[in-house]
Amino acid sequence: QQQVKQSPQSLIVQKGGISIINCAYENTAFDYFPWYQQFPGKGPALLIAIRPDVSEKKEGRFTISFNKSAKQFSLHIMDSQPGDSATYFCAASMRGNFNKFYFGSGTKLNVKP
Amino acid sequence: EAQVTQNPRYLITVTGKKLTVTCSQNMNHEYMSWYRQDPGLGLRQIYYSMNVEVTDKGDVPEGYKVSRKEKRNFPLILESPSPNQTSLYFCASRGTVSSYEQYFGPGTRLTVT
Repeated sequence: QQQVKQSPQSLIVQKGGISIINCAYENTAFDYFPWYQQFPGKGPALLIAIRPDVSEKKEGRFTISFNKSAKQFSLHIMDSQPGDSATYFCAASMRGNFNKFYFGSGTKLNVKP
Repeated sequence: EAQVTQNPRYLITVTGKKLTVTCSQNMNHEYMSWYRQDPGLGLRQIYYSMNVEVTDKGDVPEGYKVSRKEKRNFPLILESPSPNQTSLYFCASRGTVSSYEQYFGPGTRLTVT
């Protein structure tokens, strides 16, 4: 059973548009929520992360929105660019054991020029 | 350059033939992990290590072994590979207990026939 559910599986967005990827979790012990970006042939790389004490975190064009009561968090990519085309994974890690990570199933984003 | 390296990058083998995938990091990180990535399932953690000689199971440890005899190295051992272990494998490392960012290696694509 997947501890972190991610949607959509794939996403096509026009250049300049907003890309939105959603994740949901059940385990309230999760305390750290990172997003990873993966290009073909490469390992995932940390993009942005949030702790549950804030509802939003922004870094450049990338924003995480976090809804603790709904147990959901999402990644928003503003002004999406073709260079953003990649697979995105959300993940969660547990309070007291930041060595265990649970990943979503991934979203393949294609930004069309 | 700070990095996580894995070898080999590609491996085709036959059922039952023992193999080892090496992982090495040059960042003096305490924490290291192994993941497998499968379509539609995202990344799943196999084993992780908190320090030399300290390892623990992740979500999918069956059929795998690890060892951590030196801080920089964390090999993944498949004693008797089976076709269901055909996957893309990633090694990752993390600095300290208060640093959540994981650095991933480039991946090893394993095919077991």
